[in-house]
Amino acid sequence: DAGVTQSPTHLIKTRGQQVTLRCSPKSGHDTVSWYQQALGQGPQFIFQYYEEEERQRGNFPDRFSGHQFPNYSSELNVNALLLGDSALYLCASSLATQGNEQFFGPGTRLTVL
Amino acid sequence: QKEVEQDPGPLSVPEGAIVSLNCTYSNSAFQYFMWYRQYSRKGPELLMYTYSSGNKEDGRFTAQVDKSSKYISLFIRDSQPSDSATYLCAMSRGYQKVTFGIGTKLQVIP
Repeated sequence: DAGVTQSPTHLIKTRGQQVTLRCSPKSGHDTVSWYQQALGQGPQFIFQYYEEEERQRGNFPDRFSGHQFPNYSSELNVNALLLGDSALYLCASSLATQGNEQFFGPGTRLTVL
Repeated sequence: QKEVEQDPGPLSVPEGAIVSLNCTYSNSAFQYFMWYRQYSRKGPELLMYTYSSGNKEDGRFTAQVDKSSKYISLFIRDSQPSDSATYLCAMSRGYQKVTFGIGTKLQVIP
């Protein structure tokens, strides 16, 4: 049973560029949440997708957007990258009826220069 | 004031010791309480998942929730060097966003 997978593993971008991160949920899961984890901090909730719609959103600007596909996989897009966007981006999947039991992927480490 | 407070440590203990990790929170609406383990440069791994107050045991791990004091704990018995990691507490209201603590870095010395 494959767990949550994320791609790419690492990414280096420059300020002002745009980036797309990808996530495939654990088999059987229908809900995907995205988190940003800065160095030495806990994960911060960005948003959650269910049935291809954004269900909840944290305190992140509109530069952060996402999408969920019919197969439940998801993308996180960040526009106009800032140095402060450098972080580990984590995807977590869950069942809509067990939303708090989230399983995380290995993350994508984004460095903005 | 942060919704979830957690001492970042680091916490160093000898192998075989009992480890106590704690978090406090301010939002009385939190109902679900989780503990995650995160190894360096990896994603968090769910260890324990508790609803409301009470205790839950799984092998060497015991999670306690005291909603009246807004205080949760994770105990690790017979700690092993492989337990060396960052431990994140997390909590949520119903099926809503999960709020994490900053994480406590634990080192178990052989």
